[in-house]
Amino acid sequence: SQQGEEDPQALSIQEGENATMNCSYKTSINNLQWYRQNSGRGLVHLILIRSNEREKHSGRLRVTLDTSKKSSSLLITASRAADTASYFCATHRMNRDDKIIFGKGTRLHILP
Amino acid sequence: ETGVTQSPTHLIKTRGQQVTLRCSSQSGHNTVSWYQQALGQGPQFIFQYYREEENGRGNFPPRFSGLQFPNYSSELNVNALELDDSALYLCASSRLAGGGADTQYFGPGTRLTVL
Repeated sequence: SQQGEEDPQALSIQEGENATMNCSYKTSINNLQWYRQNSGRGLVHLILIRSNEREKHSGRLRVTLDTSKKSSSLLITASRAADTASYFCATHRMNRDDKIIFGKGTRLHILP
Repeated sequence: ETGVTQSPTHLIKTRGQQVTLRCSSQSGHNTVSWYQQALGQGPQFIFQYYREEENGRGNFPPRFSGLQFPNYSSELNVNALELDDSALYLCASSRLAGGGADTQYFGPGTRLTVL
């Protein structure tokens, strides 16, 4: 079963615009991570936010976490063609065996 | 590049056969996790190995088994292959037992096709 659910499933925006993806989850977590995947290849870790954090930045990426709503968002500012990929959120649950649970992902397409 | 390598890149098998996939973890990492990713889906956790012992398992049948070696490389074995086993198999290495509490570094994956 998948813990996280990304929204939207697919997103197309113009190059230069900002892209926002959301993730909702069901149970309490230790941390939430965002990953990028290009063309069905390996996943690239983008950012990890812990349950006691509300916002983190990394370059053009901004991640927020609202544990009361069990949701997170990933914002990519000033999008580029190279940002075209699938983006997944993954949660590490509290008091469970050590594994991370992925959602189904958001497919982001940056239009030139 | 993460330093995590997987072999082979692609593999075609027939139903009922057995397959072994291999993963070399990043230097300094002692934990390897395996995931199955069907087309259009997110990765599904199969199991994790920490210091040569299984350290958690997802909802996969016993015909999915694994090993971790003293150098922390790992194998995923699947017996009695079924058509639904066709997927991208990803391994990820991390430094601590709590793989979810630490960043996982993924390999490029092995694409398995079962005919």
